[in-house]
Amino acid sequence: KQEVTQIPAALSVPEGENLVLNCSFTDSAIYNLQWFRQDPGKGLTSLLLIQSSQREQTSGRLNASLDKSSGRSTLYIAASQPGDSATYLCAVRETNAGKSTFGDGTTLTVKP
Amino acid sequence: GAVVSQHPSRVICKSGTSVKIECRSLDFQATTMFWYRQFPKQSLMLMATSNEGSKATYEQGVEKDKFLINHASLTLSTLTVTSAHPEDSSFYICSARAGTGNEKLFFGSGTQLSVL
Repeated sequence: KQEVTQIPAALSVPEGENLVLNCSFTDSAIYNLQWFRQDPGKGLTSLLLIQSSQREQTSGRLNASLDKSSGRSTLYIAASQPGDSATYLCAVRETNAGKSTFGDGTTLTVKP
Repeated sequence: GAVVSQHPSRVICKSGTSVKIECRSLDFQATTMFWYRQFPKQSLMLMATSNEGSKATYEQGVEKDKFLINHASLTLSTLTVTSAHPEDSSFYICSARAGTGNEKLFFGSGTQLSVL
């Protein structure tokens, strides 16, 4: 059974700092991995999707990497802003038609 | 990006009543939709997977007679919480996917259910 872990559970940084969020998974036979952002009381917004054959994806100040063999993914946020404050979740999909397994998320607070 | 609309956003109901939550994909055909439940400060817990025109597949521990899921068209799935009780109070979120390739999951904005 796939297990997804996100460390740390919470992170507080000053504005402008670069930061890395971690996601690890126990079964490396994944189909893809997706990073999401969730604001309090809201649904999830997709940030980046990395296919199993890819090593990284970039969008603006966000860069996500994937190392399947070690079961790890990172989300790098450059020049953090208070508006980046949210909970970030990673989700691992195991097959092309399968469900996704979510981590518990990292709650990020960026202080002005 | 694709849009998934979920309604209502908030429901307050009396114990014993049934509540229906709708999830619509507005600009794509969702062959697969997922329903999740989320408790405060916890991650998403998958309740069921529904494919258009077939019965939903429920996760272990989720009562199918309690949480009725209908996916009658490629753009609409509904979750009905039957005879709701206070312990059913939670945040319910749907997601949709266009196919079985590397499509992204797109999420609705969630429904906060409070059962009095």
